[in-house]
Amino acid sequence: DADVTQTPRNRITKTGKRIMLECSQTKGHDRMYWYRQDPGLGLRLIYYSFDVKDINKGEISDGYSVSRQAQAKFSLSLESAIPNQTALYFCATSDPRTGSGGYTFGSGTRLTVV
Amino acid sequence: QQQVKQSPQSLIVQKGGISIINCAYENTAFDYFPWYQQFPGKGPALLIAIRPDVSEKKEGRFTISFNKSAKQFSLHIMDSQPGDSATYFCAAWGGLTFGEGTQLTVNP
Repeated sequence: DADVTQTPRNRITKTGKRIMLECSQTKGHDRMYWYRQDPGLGLRLIYYSFDVKDINKGEISDGYSVSRQAQAKFSLSLESAIPNQTALYFCATSDPRTGSGGYTFGSGTRLTVV
Repeated sequence: QQQVKQSPQSLIVQKGGISIINCAYENTAFDYFPWYQQFPGKGPALLIAIRPDVSEKKEGRFTISFNKSAKQFSLHIMDSQPGDSATYFCAAWGGLTFGEGTQLTVNP
């Protein structure tokens, strides 16, 4: 099984619909992240959480919300999806004990908003 | 504001050639510079990383060159192979900030 699992892998939704992307991890890491990938823009941080009671906005949090249900689960919600939220979304975890580079990414969710 | 700028956006290299991807950063507080490799349908995976107290780090065919005074670092892939075809991201730690990505294609 993958260390970081994202569901669904692909999703097409209509403008205005609420959608949730889910992430679960078996790494035992406290830190979890949601990134968005767009061609030519790299990976941009949406939200991050350093433990179950900690939620922080990243650089592009508008239009998104998150929930950290447990150490292993971190969900990203689009309350009212719009077409410019069409992108590839990645969940990641990190362990501060392994230093700055210890990031593990999931395989991504490709979201299309029509 | 993009704190880490990466170039080129795409790169085509012949098998056996050298692939070079460059990155520049602005924040002198960054203290760790990883490179990630991403294959289609997969998430990025850590490839190699360097700290600013060294000027070069080599792991197999992959080398990072770091120029602290110029605030630049680069990835060199020697003897490039078709299996190296992927998207490469540079990053800087101070909260992980990614470059825009480079799509590398190595032709057989």
